[in-house]
Amino acid sequence: KAGVTQTPRYLIKTRGQQVTLSCSPISGHRSVSWYQQTPGQGLQFLFEYFSETQRNKGNFPGRFSGRQFSNSRSEMNVSTLELGDSALYLCASSLNGQPQHFGDGTRLSIL
Amino acid sequence: DQQVKQNSPSLSVQEGRISILNCDYTNSMFDYFLWYKKYPAEGPTFLISISSIKDKNEDGRFTVFLNKSAKHLSLHIVPSQPGDSAVYFCAASQDGGTGTASKLTFGTGTRLQVTL
Repeated sequence: KAGVTQTPRYLIKTRGQQVTLSCSPISGHRSVSWYQQTPGQGLQFLFEYFSETQRNKGNFPGRFSGRQFSNSRSEMNVSTLELGDSALYLCASSLNGQPQHFGDGTRLSIL
Repeated sequence: DQQVKQNSPSLSVQEGRISILNCDYTNSMFDYFLWYKKYPAEGPTFLISISSIKDKNEDGRFTVFLNKSAKHLSLHIVPSQPGDSAVYFCAASQDGGTGTASKLTFGTGTRLQVTL
């Protein structure tokens, strides 16, 4: 059974640019959540999508946004990139009532 | 404000012995707790969870204990194996009993090293 797939695995951008990260959940999973991991702040919840609707949101600025498609695939977008956005971005999917399963993440570096 | 705390950044245990990883939380609304294991360059892997209606959950070598009055949970690994060497994260959520845990609050992790 395929796991959660995140693309790309690595990305380098410069300040002011925008970036889009992609996540394909485990087949049948309709909930997709995004997390940011940094050395200083640890793992922090960004947002969760379920059936194409944002169901939960963390404490991140509006530069961070996401969406979910009808096939449950999700994208996360960060606009006007800042140096502090350098992080590992993790996506997790789950069936309702089950724990989340994580992908291996996209490592984003901002120069 | 760190609502979930893992006060030991690292732990070293001999192979075959018990590993005990601890986690404290401050938000009394949390009602579902999970442990994840993370290897370098990989995403976290779910290990075991516990609902606040229980005080213990066991799965093979892994047991999680929950003390609601102390707002404390622990993960016991018995016996510890070299392959258990990884970073362990405690996570908590308010899921209203659904087990969905869609908004996880993570601790900072404990690096476990199991030595031969």
